[in-house]
Amino acid sequence: GAVVSQHPSRVICKSGTSVKIECRSLDFQATTMFWYRQFPKQSLMLMATSNEGSKATYEQGVEKDKFLINHASLTLSTLTVTSAHPEDSSFYICSASGQTMNTEAFFGQGTRLTVV
Amino acid sequence: RKEVEQDPGPFNVPEGATVAFNCTYSNSASQSFFWYRQDCRKEPKLLMSVYSSGNEDGRFTAQLNRASQYISLLIRDSKLSDSATYLCVAHYSSASKIIFGSGTRLSIRP
Repeated sequence: GAVVSQHPSRVICKSGTSVKIECRSLDFQATTMFWYRQFPKQSLMLMATSNEGSKATYEQGVEKDKFLINHASLTLSTLTVTSAHPEDSSFYICSASGQTMNTEAFFGQGTRLTVV
Repeated sequence: RKEVEQDPGPFNVPEGATVAFNCTYSNSASQSFFWYRQDCRKEPKLLMSVYSSGNEDGRFTAQLNRASQYISLLIRDSKLSDSATYLCVAHYSSASKIIFGSGTRLSIRP
């Protein structure tokens, strides 16, 4: 299957700093990328959807100024958690989809963010 | 109401048992459906797609009922390695969204 690479897999940062997470589709053009957050023992919650070259669409309750998403190319999307706080500590995971929505979504390996 | 709803479980069944999960979706515009499996602290991995005609992959059978807006997953002869969280997923092509259910936790005991 297609490969989506997410980096870093784990990051610990100080409160108030910003963290950037990268999501790359390695062998296909990802027209749409999705960013999810998962708290312990909870399901994946969609944060935002980004289409290449356009602004991301954020889900209700997700602060777009805090979670900056950039999808500048068909193979790369980034999520920047700005001014991180301990409550932002979570498992962040990206997913990429190609031209048709009838195919499966491919997931990155996830990033475990801990804000101290 | 959530767009995709699942019974969270946990389901705790003995090895060899047959277990079934259901998932309902609220948006009739949903076009594609999938079952994913997620192991603890790992990313979800595709288990199988779900078709209206029903599809089977070894011990796993998936079914889609568009009239009633639900999908199901049946696991026969369950193995210890089947213990995981199972997520049903709906693709909404019109909104370019992929929505996950909350997941059903399955635990297989020896």
